[in-house]
Amino acid sequence: GENVEQHPSTLSVQEGDSAVIKCTYSDSASNYFPWYKQELGKRPQLIIDIRSNVGEKKDQRIAVTLNKTAKHFSLHITETQPEDSAVYFCAGPLGDDKIIFGKGTRLHILP
Amino acid sequence: DSGVTQTPKHLITATGQRVTLRCSPRSGDLSVYWYQQSLDQGLQFLIQYYNGEERAKGNILERFSAQQFPDLHSELNLSSLELGDSALYFCASSVRGGDSTDTQYFGPGTRLTVL
Repeated sequence: GENVEQHPSTLSVQEGDSAVIKCTYSDSASNYFPWYKQELGKRPQLIIDIRSNVGEKKDQRIAVTLNKTAKHFSLHITETQPEDSAVYFCAGPLGDDKIIFGKGTRLHILP
Repeated sequence: DSGVTQTPKHLITATGQRVTLRCSPRSGDLSVYWYQQSLDQGLQFLIQYYNGEERAKGNILERFSAQQFPDLHSELNLSSLELGDSALYFCASSVRGGDSTDTQYFGPGTRLTVL
C-alpha cells in the first residue's frame, strides 16, 4: 500500500498568500523528512528537510513542521511569489534504510 | 548544479530498441538511485546501488537493468523499448545508502522518447 501520501495534488494560491502541503507516512523508523521542488523540465532539488524530533524548521519563507505522533509533516510557504510555482515532493521513511517520495503537489501562484 | 551528471540529455529511439543511460554521482557519494518520471507523474523508484552492489529494488521492469562500476558511475539499460517507456529518467546520489536519513541529490535527467 501507499507509504507516503501527499495532499493536495494541485494547489492554487494568490500571490502573497500562504501555501501548505501535507504528507502522511506509515513507517515511524526515521527522523528525516525532506521536501523537494521540481520546476518544469528540471531536476528535483532539496529545499528543506528536518532531521530530528524538533517540530519545526524554518528557512526564510519556507518552513517544515513535523508531528511524529500523528505521522504527518507539512511544508509551509509564506508570501508566495511567482517563482514558487513548481511541483513539490515530500519524502518519508520506508523502513530503516529507504525513503519513498509522495506523488507530488503542483503549486500554481496566481497573479 | 548538484554535482550529479547524466548523459545523454535527450535520447530518441524506436520501439524494440535498447539504450543505455549513464550517471556519475557527486564526488564521494557511494549510492546511486534511478527514478522514472512519466508525464505529470511522480518519481517512481527503480533501483539503488551502493558501492557497486544492488541495495534496493523498486518497480523496475525485467526489461530494465542497471549496474554500478568500480569508479561508482552507474548505467541503466533499457531494452525491448515500448512507447510507454518514454519518460524522464533521473539519477540521484547520496553519501551513504543504507540509511533513510541520507539526502539524495538529483542529476539533470535523461529524456527518453520512444517512437
